[in-house]
Amino acid sequence: DTGVSQDPRHKITKRGQNVTFRCDPISEHNRLYWYRQTLGQGPEFLTYFQNEAQLEKSRLLSDRFSAERPKGSFSTLEIQRTEQGDSAMYLCASSLEAPTEAFFGQGTRLTVV
Amino acid sequence: AQTVTQSQPEMSVQEAETVTLSCTYDTSESDYYLFWYKQPPSRQMILVIRQEAYKQQNATENRFSVNFQKAAKSFSLKISDSQLGDAAMYFCAYRRSAGANSKLTFGKGITLSVRP
Repeated sequence: DTGVSQDPRHKITKRGQNVTFRCDPISEHNRLYWYRQTLGQGPEFLTYFQNEAQLEKSRLLSDRFSAERPKGSFSTLEIQRTEQGDSAMYLCASSLEAPTEAFFGQGTRLTVV
Repeated sequence: AQTVTQSQPEMSVQEAETVTLSCTYDTSESDYYLFWYKQPPSRQMILVIRQEAYKQQNATENRFSVNFQKAAKSFSLKISDSQLGDAAMYFCAYRRSAGANSKLTFGKGITLSVRP
């Protein structure tokens, strides 16, 4: 098991374009989280899946953001009509049922120009 | 809503010395978990240590230990015998108890540098 994997590691896009990120959790983990981290800040929760069900979405997640986790395996996070304010590191984490620890991926750094 | 505050943006320690990183939090819950995560320059977040709120004994993991003061809502991390590899950002995080969405609420982090 290689841990939580995120792809791509870096993405540069023009304002207004759509982008999609992928997260592959640790295989037996049924919980998956997306966080956003801007420079100098701690990660902020975006959304949470238990298996394939999206159970919570942060108010940070505007209508331009959508996340899926088909079949309870990998997850995708799509941002439509990107804005410069979307520039950030997007982190994915997975865990077994609480209270076990969450394991993080290396993140996808998005730059919107 | 739960909040986590790390008021020191940066700290520096001499190699082999001891350093303490501070964290305070606010919650109305009585049962929860507190964590310290390390984020090296490669950016992958790694769990350093975990504390269950119902446990009075402070958690210890090798050179890392915590001072958990539940009444004061304080959760500091002590790193003993600091090593160059300890240089990183450190985040204090809170999570509600099992049964709820186990999302983490993070502080802003502190950048720790280690002087050789």
